[in-house]
Amino acid sequence: QVQLKESGPGLVQPSQTLSLTCTVAGFSLTSYNVHWVRQPPGKGLEWMGVIWNTGGTRYNSALKSRLSISKDTSKSQVFLKMNSLQTEDTATYYCARDEAYYGYTPFDYWGQGVMVTVSS
Amino acid sequence: DIQMTQSPPSLSASLGETVSIECRASEDIYSNLAWYQQKSGKSPQLLIYYASSLQDGVPSRFSGSGSGTQYSLKISGMQPEDEGVYYCLQGSKYPRTFGGGTKLELK
Repeated sequence: QVQLKESGPGLVQPSQTLSLTCTVAGFSLTSYNVHWVRQPPGKGLEWMGVIWNTGGTRYNSALKSRLSISKDTSKSQVFLKMNSLQTEDTATYYCARDEAYYGYTPFDYWGQGVMVTVSS
Repeated sequence: DIQMTQSPPSLSASLGETVSIECRASEDIYSNLAWYQQKSGKSPQLLIYYASSLQDGVPSRFSGSGSGTQYSLKISGMQPEDEGVYYCLQGSKYPRTFGGGTKLELK
């Protein structure tokens, strides 16, 4: 059964670093890419970045200087780290997968999301 | 970056009514487009991919069409469970970009 589950702190202080984990089951990170998407309360979806099955990464240019995505394939975990958090980073953070393929494949499974509030 | 302009921002439909939601891309995305439904408090669910392919388990009243820069999602016969927010997502280039969303409510 395919599953993705985000975990991490619900509250982060301004200027601090956010660390989130996406733990996957039912598929291998050697065959799938994992994306991070966030959604501020009451607003739309924003793509943040991807880690490909190869371990390569690509980031949203608006976040590139603050964002890092990595993974531990043996533990089926993908990690997001974002520094210098501000209140506008308050959002629900999702991880989602797509199949590694030369060309486009859709995000077919998403995690349940984790709400992160940036506040002192 | 490819801009995805989605319309309308909100929509109210009666039971059984057919509704359409549009997405226009700022450049040709070669049918590399998906539609998602997001219900309140839940994660997005894939409805349509490659512009017109129906995801397994999605009711056949949902359909997608389009090419080039213009795409649409049609719901043929609104049901109560179809309430939610709908998003398009282009997969042609990075960064991936979403439409702004369409909130669909039952009238």
